[in-house]
Amino acid sequence: NAGVMQNPRHLVRRRGQEARLRCSPMKGHSHVYWYRQLPEEGLKFMVYLQKENIIDESGMPKERFSAEFPKEGPSILRIQQVVRGDSAAYFCASSPVPVGEPEQYFGPGTRLTVT
Amino acid sequence: RKEVEQDPGPFNVPEGATVAFNCTYSNSASQSFFWYRQDCRKEPKLLMSVYSSGNEDGRFTAQLNRASQYISLLIRDSKLSDSATYLCVAYSGGGADGLTFGKGTHLIIQP
Repeated sequence: NAGVMQNPRHLVRRRGQEARLRCSPMKGHSHVYWYRQLPEEGLKFMVYLQKENIIDESGMPKERFSAEFPKEGPSILRIQQVVRGDSAAYFCASSPVPVGEPEQYFGPGTRLTVT
Repeated sequence: RKEVEQDPGPFNVPEGATVAFNCTYSNSASQSFFWYRQDCRKEPKLLMSVYSSGNEDGRFTAQLNRASQYISLLIRDSKLSDSATYLCVAYSGGGADGLTFGKGTHLIIQP
């Protein structure tokens, strides 16, 4: 049973470009969470999705960031017009039931560098 | 405001020693707690869950003190492979936004 998969593992973008980060949850998991970890900072919740639904996006910046989890395919975190401050590690996690019960399983993360 | 505070360290500990570090939380509504381990440039991995007064798993013991609002992690007979950053997480309910991560405590086990 493959774990949570994320790609790309490393992504370099110039300021103003778009970044697309992909996350495939563990088999049987229908709950996906995105987190951002800035250097020397803790993980910050961004968004919680189920298939075709955004359940909680209270941690998402109001502009330039969006997320989706389509019926088929991976969850996508999209950052438009990236700025240097977007450089961070973006982790995706999945769980079989809503958070707070069985633990979340994290993917290896995507390290975004904006030059 | 929900906060989870941890001493960032680093804690430099000789192999075989016992080490303990605390995590304090500000939200008294926090229901459950977790310790995650994160190796350098890797993803967090769940180490222990703490739902009541504490939990023990081999060399690792987690204890919860609700009155003082802190959780501790004790590692006995430390191994070189225990070197990592340990993240404290508090869950206050209400879904994914109810998870608050600490910034982590960096532990270095020295031979």
